[in-house]
Amino acid sequence: ETGVTQTPRHLVMGMTNKKSLKCEQHLGHNAMYWYKQSAKKPLELMFVYSLEERVENNSVPSRFSPECPNSSHLFLHLHTLQPEDSALYLCASSQASYSGQGTDTQYFGPGTRLTVL
Amino acid sequence: GDSVTQMEGPVTLSEEAFLTINCTYTATGYPSLFWYVQYPGEGLQLLLKATKADDKGSNKGFEATYRKETTSFHLEKGSVQVSDSAVYFCALSGGRNTDKLIFGTGTRLQVFP
Repeated sequence: ETGVTQTPRHLVMGMTNKKSLKCEQHLGHNAMYWYKQSAKKPLELMFVYSLEERVENNSVPSRFSPECPNSSHLFLHLHTLQPEDSALYLCASSQASYSGQGTDTQYFGPGTRLTVL
Repeated sequence: GDSVTQMEGPVTLSEEAFLTINCTYTATGYPSLFWYVQYPGEGLQLLLKATKADDKGSNKGFEATYRKETTSFHLEKGSVQVSDSAVYFCALSGGRNTDKLIFGTGTRLQVFP
């Protein structure tokens, strides 16, 4: 399988459930990202991992917990979510640059459509 | 801080019409510029990119030129098709934010036969 894959593609959960989103990249990249895409709002960067270390956490509530066990896999653990957390969650990967010349192209997965009841 | 401003949509066109979606940016340093496209029910796909001033990115009939003097990266296509209906996102990287993309709010394009 090539590119960036995400599972599941669709998820419905209650507010008391615990679930996890999975992302896997087959591109040999060293940086991975979680984004939240809500209707009529800009794309929100949630977390950035570079070389398996978290380098960005954009004030995301603690009910979202990321995990990056290696450079190819990224998880987003979910617990006690709220209905307003319903959104499309996108994973991306890239080859991060440290030269000040910008990140390389980010490649996105198809997303997980999350509905919180 | 760095930012990207896109024209608000939706943009509604008839098939074979000319398309322009405006994008301007604010950044320090030398950002790279991108256009991503999101088809219904899918994630974002890179459409084209440019890494330095006066570069032209092109793909699938779409073009955009990196204009440093006007800080713009407008997306154009000479003849749109119904299959081009999607949301288009302008983005930049570099400047002060060397390890992440800054996205615009997206512009929805609707093409009718």
